[in-house]
Amino acid sequence: GQQVMQIPQYQHVQEGEDFTTYCNSSTTLSNIQWYKQRPGGHPVFLIQLVKSGEVKKQKRLTFQFGEAKKNSSLHITATQTTDVGTYFCAGVGGTSYGKLTFGQGTILTVHP
Amino acid sequence: DGGITQSPKYLFRKEGQNVTLSCEQNLNHDAMYWYRQDPGQGLRLIYYSQIVNDFQKGDIAEGYSVSREKKESFPLTVTSAQKNPTAFYLCASSIVQGFGHPTAFFGQGTRLTVV
Repeated sequence: GQQVMQIPQYQHVQEGEDFTTYCNSSTTLSNIQWYKQRPGGHPVFLIQLVKSGEVKKQKRLTFQFGEAKKNSSLHITATQTTDVGTYFCAGVGGTSYGKLTFGQGTILTVHP
Repeated sequence: DGGITQSPKYLFRKEGQNVTLSCEQNLNHDAMYWYRQDPGQGLRLIYYSQIVNDFQKGDIAEGYSVSREKKESFPLTVTSAQKNPTAFYLCASSIVQGFGHPTAFFGQGTRLTVV
């Protein structure tokens, strides 16, 4: 079945440093989505990428979808303590019609 | 307000007992999902359903059961066969692919503790 792998599992940064998490799928995706879960909370939708090679920005966050639509990345510039949480990617595609498959998530810790 | 509601927020269960977690949505979504999250870990899919009266096993379905008798409701039963049920359980809903690109809306979660 479809698998979505996400690395790294953990990332500790000093406030002001950049952060990147990577997502790789075993199959071609129709779209990739990113979610953020604050400590003690539930995942909240951030953004969706649909087109091959697509790049979207939300303030300090930059999201990319690979040309082959099998990988994606989330980059945060100059992290802040409010960025703390777990970032998940999720994709739909391959033989898993309609089923969102989540990556394992990257837990980001920001030290002030 | 449209949304997805899980209840209860905290649940304690004695070993050997079955317990049912509630999940209700008024977003008119066809697809619903149940995930399990252990501390510091990612989301593992238990069951999902794309239409009423139909559901499929996810990656860790053993020891769990679900029903989908109504579009709005997707309750999860944690049975006594689940050996390590203490976890954070998240329910989500989305549209079905084919009617757009599905994005997941999550409930607030239920923290289940076996005592």
